Amino acid sequence: SQTIHQWPATLVQPVGSPLSLECTVEGTSNPNLYWYRQAAGRGLQLLFYSVGIGQISSEVPQNLSASRPQDRQFILSSKKLLLSDSGFYLCAWSVVREAEAFFGQGTRLTVV
Amino acid sequence: AQKVTQAQTEISVVEKEDVTLDCVYETRDTTYYLFWYKQPPSGELVFLIRRNSFDEQNEISGRYSWNFQKSTSSFNFTITASQVVDSAVYFCALRRDSGAGSYQLTFGKGTKLSVIP
Repeated sequence: SQTIHQWPATLVQPVGSPLSLECTVEGTSNPNLYWYRQAAGRGLQLLFYSVGIGQISSEVPQNLSASRPQDRQFILSSKKLLLSDSGFYLCAWSVVREAEAFFGQGTRLTVV
Repeated sequence: AQKVTQAQTEISVVEKEDVTLDCVYETRDTTYYLFWYKQPPSGELVFLIRRNSFDEQNEISGRYSWNFQKSTSSFNFTITASQVVDSAVYFCALRRDSGAGSYQLTFGKGTKLSVIP
């Protein structure tokens, strides 16, 4: 069966520090991968998606970047965190674009 | 533009009551997909159902049922005989079938359901 792993679960980082969140999927090949952010009291917003290794599409301009160095690995990064980067970050995967997405357990990031 | 509205921000029910969570969507597409997700306190989103726009048949899964009506652009979710374990935030979401933004799930802001024992 397919599983998705996301870490760390919680993270407190100072303003201006770098960020690296990692997500891996097991049990499937060539998945579509996604990074979503959920701000407090709001719905989820798609940040990045990837349809293959090295292929990254950004949905909103921001202080973050994403990379897909391997088929089932998706990384969310920042060189310098801002206070506004605080939120709950969720990685997800789907078999094809129109299918349902399955989410990881999320990372709660607090920038202080 | 796509939009999903979940007008109920929070709902509280007593255990064993039935509860319906409303979802209204907006899209100009003729083909699209609708979803419901559950977010328990642990945070991860749990997939519940996907419905294609060309399939208006309602679905029942145990205590859960979904009523899809294209005429009113609604995709409502009913929990029968609610249980404490149903307490969570529930999200309705929409995805285009093709074109710009078709990789994106457009989420509503969620409805927080509290089931009181």
